[in-house]
Amino acid sequence: GAVVSQHPSWVICKSGTSVKIECRSLDFQATTMFWYRQFPKQSLMLMATSNEGSKATYEQGVEKDKFLINHASLTLSTLTVTSAHPEDSSFYICSARNYRRNEQFFGPGTRLTVL
Amino acid sequence: DAKTTQPPSMDCAEGRAANLPCNHSTISGNEYVYWYRQIHSQGPQYIIHGLKNNETNEMASLIITEDRKSSTLILPHATLRDTAVYYCVANFGNEKLTFGTGTRLTIIP
Repeated sequence: GAVVSQHPSWVICKSGTSVKIECRSLDFQATTMFWYRQFPKQSLMLMATSNEGSKATYEQGVEKDKFLINHASLTLSTLTVTSAHPEDSSFYICSARNYRRNEQFFGPGTRLTVL
Repeated sequence: DAKTTQPPSMDCAEGRAANLPCNHSTISGNEYVYWYRQIHSQGPQYIIHGLKNNETNEMASLIITEDRKSSTLILPHATLRDTAVYYCVANFGNEKLTFGTGTRLTIIP
């Protein structure tokens, strides 16, 4: 199946710092990527839809100034958690949509721990 | 997306077929049924999807009822590595996915 990668796979940072997470579709072009967040023992919650060449669309309750999304190319979207706080500690997962096959593939996730 | 309902947990003996049900009674005519699974601390893995017809691939089979109000994911010969949370999602195929709580499937040796 199609491969989506994320980098880094895990990160530990101090409170107040910013963290950038990359999501890449390795063998197909993705005009749309999605960012999810998952807290322990909970399901995935969609944060935002990332559109190549345009602004991201954020879900209700997600602060767009705190979670900056950039989708500058057809294979790369980045999520930057700005001024991270301990409550931002979570598992962040991206997905990329393959339009030709009407399928969506997920990255392996990035575990963020904010101290 | 149409709401889906799944049992919270299921057990299945290793080597047997695992049948995971999903109700999607409000699904619209052009919404697909997607199945994903998530093994602990990993991203969800795509399994299969279908619209009206039953589908089969190397991982599983998807049986959709004629009225499309429910479906069943079948893992024909479950192994211990199939232990995971399985999510059934109804989607138009070009939009964001809304995940429910899924079914935690445990394969028992």
